[in-house]
Amino acid sequence: DGGITQSPKYLFRKEGQNVTLSCEQNLNHDAMYWYRQDPGQGLRLIYYSQIVNDFQKGDIAEGYSVSREKKESFPLTVTSAQKNPTAFYLCASSIARGNTEAFFGQGTRLTVV
Amino acid sequence: QKEVEQDPGPLSVPEGAIVSLNCTYSNSAFQYFMWYRQYSRKGPELLMYTYSSGNKEDGRFTAQVDKSSKYISLFIRDSQPSDSATYLCAMKYGNKLVFGAGTILRVKS
Repeated sequence: DGGITQSPKYLFRKEGQNVTLSCEQNLNHDAMYWYRQDPGQGLRLIYYSQIVNDFQKGDIAEGYSVSREKKESFPLTVTSAQKNPTAFYLCASSIARGNTEAFFGQGTRLTVV
Repeated sequence: QKEVEQDPGPLSVPEGAIVSLNCTYSNSAFQYFMWYRQYSRKGPELLMYTYSSGNKEDGRFTAQVDKSSKYISLFIRDSQPSDSATYLCAMKYGNKLVFGAGTILRVKS
């Protein structure tokens, strides 16, 4: 089955630690996105990538880093510099041109303890 | 000013009611318009998308776009308790994808 897989579903991190969230897609999509969702604030864009080895900052990139070494994979690292990392993180992908729908993974709930 | 405005609700309706969900936007560059449904603690799932002004119907759902007014709507007919979820509008131009805050819908049986 084609789709987007995020792992893990739940993640706990101690303050001061970096943590990496996985996002893998087998839809052959060029574009991939990371969003953060907080109650009452909708989805806010962290980073997006249009092609391999290229990515751009979104609206709230501070304290996050990404890589795009393979078309199928777009991992997100939440660094210790992110002051309020507890949130629901969503990864999405879409075809860069033509068909424009974006499809989402099931999300990762990150909690700092 | 946010590029996309959406009333967060919650919107509470009785079963069988017609539901109207709306978003406004400020950037006339947006070309594609989508509606997503999100159940609690799940990823959003795409309901409908359209790229032109007018109406698009799919079962009980109708998406409406008015580019001249920068206004989009999603209508749900014969609403069911299973429609209770958060509904997110989304808009795209190029590779920029922007979401509204989401409207919480509660359909009471």
